[in-house]
Amino acid sequence: DQQVKQNSPSLSVQEGRISILNCDYTNSMFDYFLWYKKYPAEGPTFLISISSIKDKNEDGRFTVFLNKSAKHLSLHIVPSQPGDSAVYFCAASNNNNDMRFGAGTRLTVKP
Amino acid sequence: DSGVTQTPKHLITATGQRVTLRCSPRSGDLSVYWYQQSLDQGLQFLIQYYNGEERAKGNILERFSAQQFPDLHSELNLSSLELGDSALYFCASSVAPYNEQFFGPGTRLTVL
Repeated sequence: DQQVKQNSPSLSVQEGRISILNCDYTNSMFDYFLWYKKYPAEGPTFLISISSIKDKNEDGRFTVFLNKSAKHLSLHIVPSQPGDSAVYFCAASNNNNDMRFGAGTRLTVKP
Repeated sequence: DSGVTQTPKHLITATGQRVTLRCSPRSGDLSVYWYQQSLDQGLQFLIQYYNGEERAKGNILERFSAQQFPDLHSELNLSSLELGDSALYFCASSVAPYNEQFFGPGTRLTVL
């Protein structure tokens, strides 16, 4: 079941510009959302999270926005750097801790 | 280095066989999770343990089973393997449920 969807399999941006990765979810019981970054041949690494009581969380160049009414969240990376090139997974969880991941978006940042 | 270790790194076996994947969580983490990532697929949650007890179950086949031992390491057992079971299997751990998870490097299983 696709409770968490990342509809863009890939995204390419120029170095220094903004990268916007999108994620939609269907289960209104989800109340904790996370973004993970994955390089080839490595496990995913936690990037940033947001709980449903907030609509924005910022950590350096990374900001996650949550729109609960639209069941949509997005990750903004500003400015984008070539080292940000990776696959980004959106994940959602509820108090049962049944965490669901999206299919991922491959970000390529061109120098 | 996330602090989560998984062995083996690679595993090649034949259809019908049984394999065991092993995971050691980060020191202090009580929760262990198993995920499957097939080619071009997202991470599929399989199962979660917390302090030795099964806590949540995802899309885990009946041919698959897991357990978490008193020392908190976990094993994922895959039996009657099929070609479609070829995938990357990730283990993750967290301090408690509802915390961010730290992933191991994965075990690549190839079923021939």
